Amino acid sequence: AQTVTQSQPEMSVQEAETVTLSCTYDTSESDYYLFWYKQPPSRQMILVIRQEAYKQQNATENRFSVNFQKAAKSFSLKISDSQLGDAAMYFCAYSMLDSNYQLIWGAGTKLIIKP
Amino acid sequence: DADVTQTPRNRITKTGKRIMLECSQTKGHDRMYWYRQDPGLGLRLIYYSFDVKDINKGEISDGYSVSRQAQAKFSLSLESAIPNQTALYFCATGSGTQPQHFGDGTRLSIL
Repeated sequence: AQTVTQSQPEMSVQEAETVTLSCTYDTSESDYYLFWYKQPPSRQMILVIRQEAYKQQNATENRFSVNFQKAAKSFSLKISDSQLGDAAMYFCAYSMLDSNYQLIWGAGTKLIIKP
Repeated sequence: DADVTQTPRNRITKTGKRIMLECSQTKGHDRMYWYRQDPGLGLRLIYYSFDVKDINKGEISDGYSVSRQAQAKFSLSLESAIPNQTALYFCATGSGTQPQHFGDGTRLSIL
């Protein structure tokens, strides 16, 4: 079965510090796409970052970066210089051509930012 | 204006009622999806559509039906609502390998 595991139900970090959210996934495919989405209290689902599995270089978007370890099927999200506005649920997900690009989701990690 | 619009934003209804949730998009994407979000479970796919003539069941389609009225419109119906269908429902659109874009969600409560 295709699964995504986020082992940290909740994480907290001091404002301006760095935090890493973990994600592992299980697929036998070699071509897929990985995503991190953010869901603030407003409940919108906002794309944070995207990684193509065929690319070895880790994706970055400003303060957000990933550590993609394909062999280990690991896709962690690092948030640098954490800001109060980063407080949200963070979801890891992936999609594959063979499943018509359906998104398979983890259960989420709640990130708390301490001022 | 939002690229993906869901209506209503919130709805409270009673068991046994028929409910329709609507979704429209201005992104011109061919694919549209309906997801359900429950606490601690992430999102689960209910139905998806690749064009007006293509409807596919997702992981949890029982108790739901959909209609793709046009490329830009995709509605989700609960024929006879039951309390365990209380959840947050999301519509999303996608194209090719690009990330899916989500509406703001409909919070549905069934009493």
